[in-house]
Amino acid sequence: AQKITQTQPGMFVQEKEAVTLDCTYDTSDQSYGLFWYKQPSSGEMIFLIYQGSYDEQNATEGRYSLNFQKARKSANLVISASQLGDSAMYFCAMREGEPEGGSEKLVFGKGTKLTVNP
Amino acid sequence: ETGVTQTPRHLVMGMTNKKSLKCEQHLGHNAMYWYKQSAKKPLELMFVYSLEERVENNSVPSRFSPECPNSSHLFLHLHTLQPEDSALYLCASSQDLSYGGRGSPLHFGNGTRLTVT
Repeated sequence: AQKITQTQPGMFVQEKEAVTLDCTYDTSDQSYGLFWYKQPSSGEMIFLIYQGSYDEQNATEGRYSLNFQKARKSANLVISASQLGDSAMYFCAMREGEPEGGSEKLVFGKGTKLTVNP
Repeated sequence: ETGVTQTPRHLVMGMTNKKSLKCEQHLGHNAMYWYKQSAKKPLELMFVYSLEERVENNSVPSRFSPECPNSSHLFLHLHTLQPEDSALYLCASSQDLSYGGRGSPLHFGNGTRLTVT
């Protein structure tokens, strides 16, 4: 079974509008972390935002925010005021396991391709 | 230079060739990783090194051979590859072996686009 599910293969948004990219996850761990990465056509994966499972507040980083709904096991990425440079692949990832034990695993979803239209 | 640098950016090789991918990180990180990214598939972790010691090998075929001579450099030696090995190979590093915990996200290079003919 997939650990990370991104149901939107592609999304389109108009410049300056907000967009939500969906991510649901599956884990039985109590302690886990959720990440979003951006991959432009250049290939580099760029870290955007992190949400820990015990964090009570939704993470925010500039125009990025993570809508964390623990009971629904969802961690959607919200990009406000989209810019043309936001066009890229976006990957949701989950860290399971205990960090101190060195047994952590990072699992990625298949990604969503976002296109921002002028 | 800053960040994680991978060379070459593109590589085309025949199935009988031997080539190597190089990764260098200038972040002072202790852990380095090789990931494989194939079309329409999630990123696959291949190898993990922490302080130059291999700590993970995810059932990767022996035609892929990693080498970590020091904490700043990571190589992936390729030998007798198959066409299905064509993919984007991404190198990443993190401060410690936490696979990207708080304060220690993975930092990726631009990748090497490998085509096996």
